[in-house]
Amino acid sequence: EPEVTQTPSHQVTQMGQEVILRCVPISNHLYFYWYRQILGQKVEFLVSFYNNEISEKSEIFDDQFSVERPDGSNFTLKIRSTKLEDSAMYFCASSGQNFNQPQHFGDGTRLSIL
Amino acid sequence: DQQVKQNSPSLSVQEGRISILNCDYTNSMFDYFLWYKKYPAEGPTFLISISSIKDKNEDGRFTVFLNKSAKHLSLHIVPSQPGDSAVYFCAANSENTDKLIFGTGTRLQVFP
Repeated sequence: EPEVTQTPSHQVTQMGQEVILRCVPISNHLYFYWYRQILGQKVEFLVSFYNNEISEKSEIFDDQFSVERPDGSNFTLKIRSTKLEDSAMYFCASSGQNFNQPQHFGDGTRLSIL
Repeated sequence: DQQVKQNSPSLSVQEGRISILNCDYTNSMFDYFLWYKKYPAEGPTFLISISSIKDKNEDGRFTVFLNKSAKHLSLHIVPSQPGDSAVYFCAANSENTDKLIFGTGTRLQVFP
């Protein structure tokens, strides 16, 4: 069964450094998402991406965050200058449509900011 | 953001019995509801969904019921198996937004 893959599984970064999280969505999906889950909290939406542009973003997704689809398969999340509070599990997801179809999630990247 | 609530943090059920997980929501604009299962160190795995035009959807051992007037949905697992032990999240979506709103999750333990 097709799946969403994320790399790395764990990323440790010094505060203030840039980090790039990578995702390969399911190949025939058109909508891509990033979510995060801070330890002990809910899974929360960051951003959605369709047709090579951001379609929706949350208030969490400020100027320090950016997303890109550099080629036909990868979807990346960049955090420009990481803060301690960015420590979380980051999940990538994809779907065939943005409504009435499930979003399928990868196994996440655990980001630890020191 | 308390639009989706799962009031039971945990549930323990004997193998072979029914597991019932509950979820309440407050936003009447939600049109599409999903259940995900999550094992430790893995991402949420899609289980089953239901559109607001239906009140029941069934897939094997899993059935989701939607009560729109009560803004309540539930997931029934029959019969429960030890491999069902995981955290279950309900999530909701509406046509005018891309994002899923998740509940806090219910940890299900199925014991022999």
